[in-house]
Amino acid sequence: EPEVTQTPSHQVTQMGQEVILRCVPISNHLYFYWYRQILGQKVEFLVSFYNNEISEKSEIFDDQFSVERPDGSNFTLKIRSTKLEDSAMYFCANKAQISTDTQYFGPGTRLTVL
Amino acid sequence: KQEVTQIPAALSVPEGENLVLNCSFTDSAIYNLQWFRQDPGKGLTSLLLIQSSQREQTSGRLNASLDKSSGRSTLYIAASQPGDSATYLCAVTGNTGKLIFGQGTTLQVKP
Repeated sequence: EPEVTQTPSHQVTQMGQEVILRCVPISNHLYFYWYRQILGQKVEFLVSFYNNEISEKSEIFDDQFSVERPDGSNFTLKIRSTKLEDSAMYFCANKAQISTDTQYFGPGTRLTVL
Repeated sequence: KQEVTQIPAALSVPEGENLVLNCSFTDSAIYNLQWFRQDPGKGLTSLLLIQSSQREQTSGRLNASLDKSSGRSTLYIAASQPGDSATYLCAVTGNTGKLIFGQGTTLQVKP
């Protein structure tokens, strides 16, 4: 069964450093999402991406965040200058159709900002 | 603004019991509702998806129901097993496609 993969599984970085989290979505899926989960809290929506554009973003997704599909397959989330409060699990998800389909999640990247 | 709430926050049952997890949402204008399983430190595994026009979905020992008008869903687990121990998340989708999650119910099934 096709699956979503994410790299790295765990990233430790110093405050103020840039990080790039990578996701390889399921082939032929068109809608892409990033979510995060701070330890002990709800899974929160960050951003959705379709047709090489951001479709929607939450208030969490400020100017420090960006997303792109650099080579048409990978889907990346960049945090330009990490803060302590960015420490969380970051999940990539994707699905085939906008509203009716199951979203498939990757295993997540645990980001620790020191 | 859509809010999703899950009750109870934690549940501990002996093996073999049937159990029900509850999910409620404030805005009934949803496209679908999805139940996920999350093991500690792991990603989210989709269990069941119910379209807004459906009343229930079944997969093995799992049965999910949806009452859209009252803003409620339940996940019924029959004959629970220790391997069912995990956190169960409920999430709703609106017209933009994003998922809005509840805080989850952490289930422990004791042998």
